[in-house]
Amino acid sequence: DTGVSQNPRHKITKRGQNVTFRCDPISEHNRLYWYRQTLGQGPEFLTYFQNEAQLEKSRLLSDRFSAERPKGSFSTLEIQRTEQGDSAMYLCASSPRSGLNTEAFFGQGTRLTVV
Amino acid sequence: GQQLNQSPQSMFIQEGEDVSMNCTSSSIFNTWLWYKQDPGEGPVLLIALYKAGELTSNGRLTAQFGITRKDSFLNISASIPSDVGIYFCAGVGGGADGLTFGKGTHLIIQP
Repeated sequence: DTGVSQNPRHKITKRGQNVTFRCDPISEHNRLYWYRQTLGQGPEFLTYFQNEAQLEKSRLLSDRFSAERPKGSFSTLEIQRTEQGDSAMYLCASSPRSGLNTEAFFGQGTRLTVV
Repeated sequence: GQQLNQSPQSMFIQEGEDVSMNCTSSSIFNTWLWYKQDPGEGPVLLIALYKAGELTSNGRLTAQFGITRKDSFLNISASIPSDVGIYFCAGVGGGADGLTFGKGTHLIIQP
């Protein structure tokens, strides 16, 4: 296993279109996180899964955003009716244990540009 | 929401110099993590700290978890060109979900 994998690496879309990103976590990691990062800022928490259950969602996650992890393995993040303000790097991370005090390992991210 | 104050915002140093950066918070965290991020890539975990007062090294990197659990520092000794990048601190706990990140310290090494 080579780490957290995200696809695509880059996505350019027109305003109003829907986009979907995929994240494959490190095998057997039961926690999976989604973060968003804009230029000059640190990553901001969006949501996380414990196995297939989505446990928390940030207020940053508007109703245009939806995330799934149907079998507790890979996850998808969908953005509907994209807006220019959605342009950012979307990062996925996974962690090996269910406890809160644990490190998270990040993927390479998906760079979204909304034109 | 919670914020981590990370300083300095940027550092311009000569190759071979030592580097020190830190993070402070008004909230208590249970875990402190330090990451490095290169342009267009995801953050890479450098060091994880789990106990107040803990001092941990990873090669030329040394990090400490503050006694008050509200701060942490990262030192890099004898900097080399591949140390260039953005360093982020992140805290776990404090009532927030997921990791809370600082805004990063941009390290630039002049030859």
